[in-house]
Amino acid sequence: EPEVTQTPSHQVTQMGQEVILRCVPISNHLYFYWYRQILGQKVEFLVSFYNNEISEKSEIFDDQFSVERPDGSNFTLKIRSTKLEDSAMYFCASRGTGATEAFFGQGTRLTVV
Amino acid sequence: GQNIDQPTEMTATEGAIVQINCTYQTSGFNGLFWYQQHAGEAPTFLSYNVLDGLEEKGRFSSFLSRSKGYSYLLLKELQMKDSASYLCAVRSPDSNYQLIWGAGTKLIIKP
Repeated sequence: EPEVTQTPSHQVTQMGQEVILRCVPISNHLYFYWYRQILGQKVEFLVSFYNNEISEKSEIFDDQFSVERPDGSNFTLKIRSTKLEDSAMYFCASRGTGATEAFFGQGTRLTVV
Repeated sequence: GQNIDQPTEMTATEGAIVQINCTYQTSGFNGLFWYQQHAGEAPTFLSYNVLDGLEEKGRFSSFLSRSKGYSYLLLKELQMKDSASYLCAVRSPDSNYQLIWGAGTKLIIKP
């Protein structure tokens, strides 16, 4: 069964460092998303991406964040200068054209120390 | 404002039926999702309602009333593996796929 894969599963980084979270969406999907979930809190939308550009972003997705689809398979989230409050589980999701259901990856747990 | 309310926690017995409610007050509406999330794992899709009524899918059913801003997820023949958080999420009509998420209901199944 096709699935969204994310790497790494857990990343520890020092405050102020840059991190790149990687995602491989399901191969024929065209809509990609990043969500985050701070421990014990709600899932929060960060950004959606379609046709090689951001289609929507939330207030959380400030200038410290960027997304990229560097090739035909990967979809990355970069946090330029991490803060302690960026510690969270980051989920990538993808959706096929005409579908309502998005498939989530297993997440990357980011810990900023 | 945007608000989605769910009970924080519920407990039910293996083999029984449980109903998890969700009420929403959002500036628009273009569908309601239910996701299941086991601790430390990704949300997995359970159901989607955009029209009023009941959608049945095996042991799980979801109901929507748009006029009341209300949905419920019904789980039948509960199994221990159903112990998880159940997340209600609403999609607004002016959004590509920005979901507004509830805080989730933690369901504990006891033998």
